[in-house]
Amino acid sequence: EAGVAQSPRYKIIEKRQSVAFWCNPISGHATLYWYQQILGQGPKLLIQFQNNGVVDDSQLPKDRFSAERLKGVDSTLKIQPAKLEDSAVYLCASSLEWGLTYEQYFGPGTRLTVT
Amino acid sequence: DAKTTQPPSMDCAEGRAANLPCNHSTISGNEYVYWYRQIHSQGPQYIIHGLKNNETNEMASLIITEDRKSSTLILPHATLRDTAVYYCIVRETSYDKVIFGPGTSLSVIP
Repeated sequence: EAGVAQSPRYKIIEKRQSVAFWCNPISGHATLYWYQQILGQGPKLLIQFQNNGVVDDSQLPKDRFSAERLKGVDSTLKIQPAKLEDSAVYLCASSLEWGLTYEQYFGPGTRLTVT
Repeated sequence: DAKTTQPPSMDCAEGRAANLPCNHSTISGNEYVYWYRQIHSQGPQYIIHGLKNNETNEMASLIITEDRKSSTLILPHATLRDTAVYYCIVRETSYDKVIFGPGTSLSVIP
């Protein structure tokens, strides 16, 4: 079974530029998550989709971050404009359903450096 | 905020059992205890979860105290590849939200 795919793996941009990350979840997984992981901390949930609808985006800085999941499969996360504090690893995860006992499968992440 | 507390770091000799503790004194009756781990430069990986009873799978064992206020993840024969950050998580009952704390950094020493 193929895992969660993410691209790019690394990205370096200057502050005030924009950037986009792509995620392809495991086939058949209805729920998709984007996390931000700052160095030395645990991942923090940014947004959660169930199929192509948003379930939770309470931690997403909506003035600069946006995410979409068209057709309930792939997803993109965009930052515009980027700030220095956005430097982090952005992790995508998916799970079979939206429910208590379904574990999440994580991709390798995209490491963003904002200079 | 995370509902769990874990020691920031631990060492374990290769081949010995690694016992990683977790406190979750405010856990409610329907909340499960989950463990994930994150090897350097990789995404977190699910290990095991449980509600009341002890659980075992091919990766680890989970021991939950009778009052459910704490648990221990046991890696029976730690190898160098088990060096990682281990996260203990209490899942909210109503939906799938996972809140990660800083975890325990386990170093397996040759």
